[in-house]
Amino acid sequence: NAGVTQTPKFQVLKTGQSMTLQCAQDMNHNSMYWYRQDPGMGLRLIYYSASEGTTDKGEVPNGYNVSRLNKREFSLRLESAAPSQTSVYFCASSDLPGGSGEKLFFGSGTQLSVL
Amino acid sequence: DQQVKQNSPSLSVQEGRISILNCDYTNSMFDYFLWYKKYPAEGPTFLISISSIKDKNEDGRFTVFLNKSAKHLSLHIVPSQPGDSAVYFCAATFFNQAGTALIFGKGTTLSVSS
Repeated sequence: NAGVTQTPKFQVLKTGQSMTLQCAQDMNHNSMYWYRQDPGMGLRLIYYSASEGTTDKGEVPNGYNVSRLNKREFSLRLESAAPSQTSVYFCASSDLPGGSGEKLFFGSGTQLSVL
Repeated sequence: DQQVKQNSPSLSVQEGRISILNCDYTNSMFDYFLWYKKYPAEGPTFLISISSIKDKNEDGRFTVFLNKSAKHLSLHIVPSQPGDSAVYFCAATFFNQAGTALIFGKGTTLSVSS
């Protein structure tokens, strides 16, 4: 039972390089999310997708783009990486598309370093 | 402007004692509050939640209390165990036309010593 799978687990980029973080869930969830975690900052929402075909900005969307490829997959793209994007990135999914009490299931994270 | 605040970065308690983790929020439109637990090198996992129309929810050793007038909630762990040592995040849900999303606090690191 995989749950939420993120790839890669670790990545080092040079400033200006681009890359895509991949996320897939096998729980048939409607909603998917990307968060970043920085020391002393908690988890901050980058983008989310309430259902296939829809995406919306979270708290810190600048410098990122997302694609909800299908119901299973939600990718996060850094077009031109900056050192400020060094962080741990978490993908999550939820089985409650628009109601309350969202219980998120998280992946194990991608540790990204931008030099 | 932080909408969910956890003002204590860390908490240390002895095994068997009560752990109380606190959380304050500013947005009265939040309709659900949740606590997540995170171990190093793992993603957060759901612990317990409470609806904004309730003031208490209990699940085994974990109880969450909500004081809406004070915009404050707390997580009580009784008795605390060394395996409870982790980072605890308070979170709140909001709903808009685009869907529902969680806003997290900065987290409190709990250390339970044996």
